[in-house]
Amino acid sequence: ETGVTQTPRHLVMGMTNKKSLKCEQHLGHNAMYWYKQSAKKPLELMFVYNFKEQTENNSVPSRFSPECPNSSHLFLHLHTLQPEDSALYLCASSQEGIASGGQETQYFGPGTRLLVL
Amino acid sequence: GQNIDQPTEMTATEGAIVQINCTYQTSGFNGLFWYQQHAGEAPTFLSYNVLDGLEEKGRFSSFLSRSKGYSYLLLKELQMKDSASYLCAVRDEDYKLSFGAGTTVTVRA
Repeated sequence: ETGVTQTPRHLVMGMTNKKSLKCEQHLGHNAMYWYKQSAKKPLELMFVYNFKEQTENNSVPSRFSPECPNSSHLFLHLHTLQPEDSALYLCASSQEGIASGGQETQYFGPGTRLLVL
Repeated sequence: GQNIDQPTEMTATEGAIVQINCTYQTSGFNGLFWYQQHAGEAPTFLSYNVLDGLEEKGRFSSFLSRSKGYSYLLLKELQMKDSASYLCAVRDEDYKLSFGAGTTVTVRA
């Protein structure tokens, strides 16, 4: 149990569908992240939120829309996706700041396996 | 940005030692992490290096040389449960992590 949960664990959607991925962290962290993991490729950072404010949008297409209503919850809204968007979407959280002692390890959720048909 | 290289696959025998190398070229450096990821599961934190030298944690050790842009993860007394993907990640001065593609380690009996 890593303290970061994601739902759903698996999702199949058509290119015209709209769906949302949900992430919740129970660790009291102040930063949350969305990553994309494709087969045999490095994890790609998509979005970063610090204290509920988006601080990073790593040139992600607008068909991916993040939402962070509070420091414990993070959503990724999906619409008109393409088959190449099929991947594992991982959420992570960390405690950022000097008081954290420098390590600021990111803790990952189990991911949502997305298939776009 | 960061360019992080690690071997794609490694195979070793139960009880043996395996060393996974990671080289990086960075525009800034603020620590190097190793994560373990079993198939279908979340990456889990293994080790963190920010200064040169060796960090030991039980059967796992990680080494860093900042001048060479080089790290390795050493897995000793391999067990079947160590079969997984091992991810090298470098953190930049903005505290963003950049990951290598991962090394799949297969442990054989």
